[in-house]
Amino acid sequence: GAGVSQSPSNKVTEKGKDVELRCDPISGHTALYWYRQSLGQGLEFLIYFQGNSAPDKSGLPSDRFSAERTGGSVSTLTIQRTQQEDSAVYLCASSLYGGNQPQHFGDGTRLSIL
Amino acid sequence: AQSVTQPDIHITVSEGASLELRCNYSYGATPYLFWYVQSPGQGLQLLLKYFSGDTLVQGIKGFEAEFKRSQSSFNLRKPSVHWSDAAEYFCAALPSGTYKYIFGTGTRLKVLA
Repeated sequence: GAGVSQSPSNKVTEKGKDVELRCDPISGHTALYWYRQSLGQGLEFLIYFQGNSAPDKSGLPSDRFSAERTGGSVSTLTIQRTQQEDSAVYLCASSLYGGNQPQHFGDGTRLSIL
Repeated sequence: AQSVTQPDIHITVSEGASLELRCNYSYGATPYLFWYVQSPGQGLQLLLKYFSGDTLVQGIKGFEAEFKRSQSSFNLRKPSVHWSDAAEYFCAALPSGTYKYIFGTGTRLKVLA
């Protein structure tokens, strides 16, 4: 597609449930990033993929968070046993090959945990 | 620790007035620097970037930013603000040789008619 696509745009779920957030990057972009944006906060880096590999997973807040990328394209961020503090906007970005290439952002998934 | 600071959480200006949004970074070496804008319900859009060379960089939508090494600053400016500029603005830094962008906490701009 023309831009980074994220789905769903909104997700409301009950505490304790698992959620999957999807990111479809710009075609040909090898680098993919996940961020979390909480109310009144900046963007918190979660994880970076170069191709299908994630060199650094240290930004993931806890072991309830995991992410994968397949085929060098679509990525899924999974949150298990959601907690209320997981409520935030989750943004995905991609860039041509990482490094200092500018990142292109999707519109995010707004996650609300009841 | 490496950080990006945007000291102003909110700024209000009148339409047609000039604008300056502040950004300071804390790194040993000059990182790559970016300004992004986020409209409500949307992702971030790149306004401009600085890698090296000319310290005054031009971006989209009439924005410019000036890199000042002595002040570790990368302030965003616009000579005349339009109502459509109301949004949240994020400064970001990427230390050379790394992949982890560091974002400031953002400045929310309100434009008065």
